[in-house]
Amino acid sequence: KQEVTQIPAALSVPEGENLVLNCSFTDSAIYNLQWFRQDPGKGLTSLLLIQSSQREQTSGRLNASLDKSSGRSTLYIAASQPGDSATYLCAVSETSGSRLTFGEGTQLTVNP
Amino acid sequence: DGGITQSPKYLFRKEGQNVTLSCEQNLNHDAMYWYRQDPGQGLRLIYYSQIVNDFQKGDIAEGYSVSREKKESFPLTVTSAQKNPTAFYLCASSTRDRGNYGYTFGSGTRLTVV
Repeated sequence: KQEVTQIPAALSVPEGENLVLNCSFTDSAIYNLQWFRQDPGKGLTSLLLIQSSQREQTSGRLNASLDKSSGRSTLYIAASQPGDSATYLCAVSETSGSRLTFGEGTQLTVNP
Repeated sequence: DGGITQSPKYLFRKEGQNVTLSCEQNLNHDAMYWYRQDPGQGLRLIYYSQIVNDFQKGDIAEGYSVSREKKESFPLTVTSAQKNPTAFYLCASSTRDRGNYGYTFGSGTRLTVV
């Protein structure tokens, strides 16, 4: 059974700092990996999707990498801002259109 | 704009009552999902459907029921058999086609037992 772990569970940084969120998964036979953002009491917003054949994806200040063989992904946030404060969730799917398995998330606080 | 609409945003249920959460999508996605989120925890899969008139149990299906009569709609009923239904419920959809498609989530329904 696929298990997804995110480290750290919580992170507090000063504004402007670059930071890395980690995600690991136990079964490397994934179809894709997706990073989401969740604000308190809200739904999930998709940030980046990496197909299993890809190594990384970038969107603005966000960069996600994937090392499928070692079962790891990282989300890099450059020049963090208070508006980046949210919970970041990592999820993997095993086939297209199949169920997602989520990690428990990293709660990020960026202090002004 | 395409997306997923969940309603209501807040729902209150009395003990022993069944309630139904609505989820509608206009993305033409084949697959739809219901997840439950408890405070400080990740999302757990309740039910999912990959095609109309077919659905499968997820990890925590007990006390819940679904239907998929239309591609666009995947309502979730929380029955009286669900002993601890207070949670945040999220609906999602995805495409079954190969390609660079991910998953889209609704804005959630917060269910509280009163």
